[in-house]
Amino acid sequence: DAGVIQSPRHEVTEMGQEVTLRCKPISGHNSLFWYRQTMMRGLELLIYFNNNVPIDDSGMPEDRFSAKMPNASFSTLKIQPSEPRDSAVYFCASRQGPSSGNTIYFGEGSWLTVV
Amino acid sequence: DAKTTQPPSMDCAEGRAANLPCNHSTISGNEYVYWYRQIHSQGPQYIIHGLKNNETNEMASLIITEDRKSSTLILPHATLRDTAVYYCIVKISGATNKLIFGTGTLLAVQP
Repeated sequence: DAGVIQSPRHEVTEMGQEVTLRCKPISGHNSLFWYRQTMMRGLELLIYFNNNVPIDDSGMPEDRFSAKMPNASFSTLKIQPSEPRDSAVYFCASRQGPSSGNTIYFGEGSWLTVV
Repeated sequence: DAKTTQPPSMDCAEGRAANLPCNHSTISGNEYVYWYRQIHSQGPQYIIHGLKNNETNEMASLIITEDRKSSTLILPHATLRDTAVYYCIVKISGATNKLIFGTGTLLAVQP
C-alpha cells in the first residue's frame, strides 16, 4: 500500500503567489482530511470530505483558502493569494468507512514557506 | 468531544517501558480513547485505540482505568526511534470524522 501521497513535499513561494497542494488518498478510503501544523497552533483540522463532498470546512482560516475533491483519488488545497503567515506543514489524511474504526492515515506533509 | 490533559514532556531510558499518562475526566460513555504519535518531520501515525477494555497490539498497550477518566499508553521496550510527540485523543467513533489534536507529550528516549 502506497499510503497517502502528497505533493509537493517542499515549496517556497513569494507572498501573493498562488499555492496548490495535492493529495492522493489511500485507495478505497472515502474520507479525506486537510490539516495544518505550526509551532504556535499545533495541528489544526482545516476541512474534511466524505465521499468527495465537503462536510466541515469550519477550520479553513479565510477565503484565501479553498479545497476541492473532484474524485475519490485526488484532492487539492489552494491558497490564493499566499501570505507569510500561511507558512506551515500541510498534512493530508484519509480514512476508510466506519467499519474500520476511526483510524486516520496521514501523508508525509507538504512544507510550505511563503516569503 | 472530551478534552484531554497530558504532560508536556517525559524521558525514558532505551530498553525500558515508557508509560505515557492521559487524563480525560469528562469522557462520555460512547467516546473512545485514541493514541497517535508524530515523529519529527513526519505525519502523525496511529498507534492504538480503546473504549473501556485494555488493548494491545504490536506497537503498544493501552490501559484504561475502570472509571475511564484516565488512560496510560505503554511502550514495553522503548527504542530511540520511539522519540516522538504522543497525542491522546477522545472522540466518538464513526459519529463524526474529526480528530482534534491537543499539544501531546514529547517523549525523549535516552540512550
